[in-house]
Amino acid sequence: GEEVAQTPKHLVRGEGQKAKLYCAPIKGHSYVFWYQQVLKNEFKFLISFQNENVFDETGMPKERFSAKCLPNSPCSLEIQATKLEDSAVYFCASSQSGGSGANVLTFGAGSRLTVL
Amino acid sequence: GQNIDQPTEMTATEGAIVQINCTYQTSGFNGLFWYQQHAGEAPTFLSYNVLDGLEEKGRFSSFLSRSKGYSYLLLKELQMKDSASYLCAVMDSNYQLIWGAGTKLIIKP
Repeated sequence: GEEVAQTPKHLVRGEGQKAKLYCAPIKGHSYVFWYQQVLKNEFKFLISFQNENVFDETGMPKERFSAKCLPNSPCSLEIQATKLEDSAVYFCASSQSGGSGANVLTFGAGSRLTVL
Repeated sequence: GQNIDQPTEMTATEGAIVQINCTYQTSGFNGLFWYQQHAGEAPTFLSYNVLDGLEEKGRFSSFLSRSKGYSYLLLKELQMKDSASYLCAVMDSNYQLIWGAGTKLIIKP
């Protein structure tokens, strides 16, 4: 498709529960990025993929966060045992290239996770 | 460490001009991006600068000085719909985007 599709739009979880978010990148885009945006508007990079391979995972809190991009499936971001501070909007973005300076990211609408 | 600074909030009048500044300190530089984000929506791409100078695109222009680690986004003929957050992001030597906290622009009639 011509847009980055993220589901669900909203997700509410009790503390300690699992949360799983999905992202379908634009067709033909090889790179997928996950960002966490909390109230202050600052985007925190989590992880990026080149096709199904992890490209950069320096932002991932590895204890509870995991992500995958499998062939012929939406990419996913999973949080095990959610904490209150995980409440945020999680944006997925895709781009044609990841290693070029002209790398324009197209963002999905985001998934708002609320942990109670 | 890596750092992007931009003002938290700015106010301007409809029809006027506003300049939003961004200063950065990053590990390498592979370009600077400006994105617009309306409340509750996804960021949308506005501009990309990798060489020094001014890039003009309609009512919006973006300027870059690599030696000063400085950029600005210039918005002319402001419209109410320009009320949004404007995010500055720099691509570092690892091709990772480092984001500023965003500038909330409030347009008054």
